[in-house]
Amino acid sequence: KQEVTQIPAALSVPEGENLVLNCSFTDSAIYNLQWFRQDPGKGLTSLLLIQSSQREQTSGRLNASLDKSSGRSTLYIAASQPGDSATYLCAVTFSGTYKYIFGTGTRLKVLA
Amino acid sequence: EAGVAQSPRYKIIEKRQSVAFWCNPISGHATLYWYQQILGQGPKLLIQFQNNGVVDDSQLPKDRFSAERLKGVDSTLKIQPAKLEDSAVYLCASSLGGWAPSALGAFFGQGTRLTVV
Repeated sequence: KQEVTQIPAALSVPEGENLVLNCSFTDSAIYNLQWFRQDPGKGLTSLLLIQSSQREQTSGRLNASLDKSSGRSTLYIAASQPGDSATYLCAVTFSGTYKYIFGTGTRLKVLA
Repeated sequence: EAGVAQSPRYKIIEKRQSVAFWCNPISGHATLYWYQQILGQGPKLLIQFQNNGVVDDSQLPKDRFSAERLKGVDSTLKIQPAKLEDSAVYLCASSLGGWAPSALGAFFGQGTRLTVV
């Protein structure tokens, strides 16, 4: 069964700290992996998209890495700010079925 | 470029009533997805369309949920009759890809928040 999990489920850090969010998937045959941000009561905002042939993608203070062989992706947030507080979701497109499966999410709170 | 449009934004119904949600994907996007997101959980894929054909509906509760995508553009998701556990946000997404996923990923609408009382 193709599944995606994220740890931790919730994270609270002081402002300015660098942090890492984790995403694991059960099937290494993936097409791409996408990280999203979701604010309370809002839709999903795409942050970074990594193709299966890529190892990492960067946007501003965000860096996402992909290790297909171990079934893992990490989202690194540098110098966290209170405005980064949100739920972060990863979604994997699995090869073959082309299903677009979401992880369980990590609720991040950055304290001022 | 216009994004994925969904309506209504909010809906409150009593259990056993019926409800319908509408989604207009980004123009030219072949793939359309409906997700159910229960509070505190990640979105769960209900159904995936490729143009007007169903690619996957394995997690759609077919005894009460139905979806269609006429002419391969707009889509509607219907629940009849609704249960209390159907309270959730229903998200619609679209992607450019044909039979292969899009390299640009998926784009999401704002969602419809359904409350069943």
